[in-house]
Amino acid sequence: DQQVKQNSPSLSVQEGRISILNCDYTNSMFDYFLWYKKYPAEGPTFLISISSIKDKNEDGRFTVFLNKSAKHLSLHIVPSQPGDSAVYFCAASAGTGNQFYFGTGTSLTVIP
Amino acid sequence: EAGVTQFPSHSVIEKGQTVTLRCDPISGHDNLYWYRRVMGKEIKFLLHFVKESKQDESGMPNNRFLAERTGGTYSTLKVQPAELEDSGVYFCASSQRGNTEAFFGQGTRLTVV
Repeated sequence: DQQVKQNSPSLSVQEGRISILNCDYTNSMFDYFLWYKKYPAEGPTFLISISSIKDKNEDGRFTVFLNKSAKHLSLHIVPSQPGDSAVYFCAASAGTGNQFYFGTGTSLTVIP
Repeated sequence: EAGVTQFPSHSVIEKGQTVTLRCDPISGHDNLYWYRRVMGKEIKFLLHFVKESKQDESGMPNNRFLAERTGGTYSTLKVQPAELEDSGVYFCASSQRGNTEAFFGQGTRLTVV
């Protein structure tokens, strides 16, 4: 049973607009959440993370929001750029150093 | 600083053959993980080493998969004998002890025909 779900397999956004990628999880023991970005033929690259004690973390154009009561997190990219086109994976873990549980990924296309 | 390196980048083998994948983690990273992504699906955990010890191998599919980490440095993942359903991209990741963010290698694409 998948514990981390990304229900949108793909998303297209105009350059300069906001991209919102969503992720839901089922395990209330998860206390650390991450977003990874993946280009074709490359491994996932860490993008941004958030601990369960926070509800928002911002890094430049990237912001992650966590809603623990809804078991939902989202990644906002603003403004979106063509170079942001990639597959984005949501991941969660329960405890430091433990395995990540990944979603199936959302393919983002930013249209110039 | 070198990142996580995986060899080979691609491997095509016949069903029943043996394949060994190698991962060189970032120097000094005690945690080493193996993950696998089957086409279009999620990236699934296989196992976790802390130095040379297996911390968690709950994701290993069956006893055809054998992972080792010699001296707490590089790791190998052997599949013997390979089956068609073993096809996928195998990722290795490493992290420092006490850190949650893991750095991934580029992956090995394994195709069993």
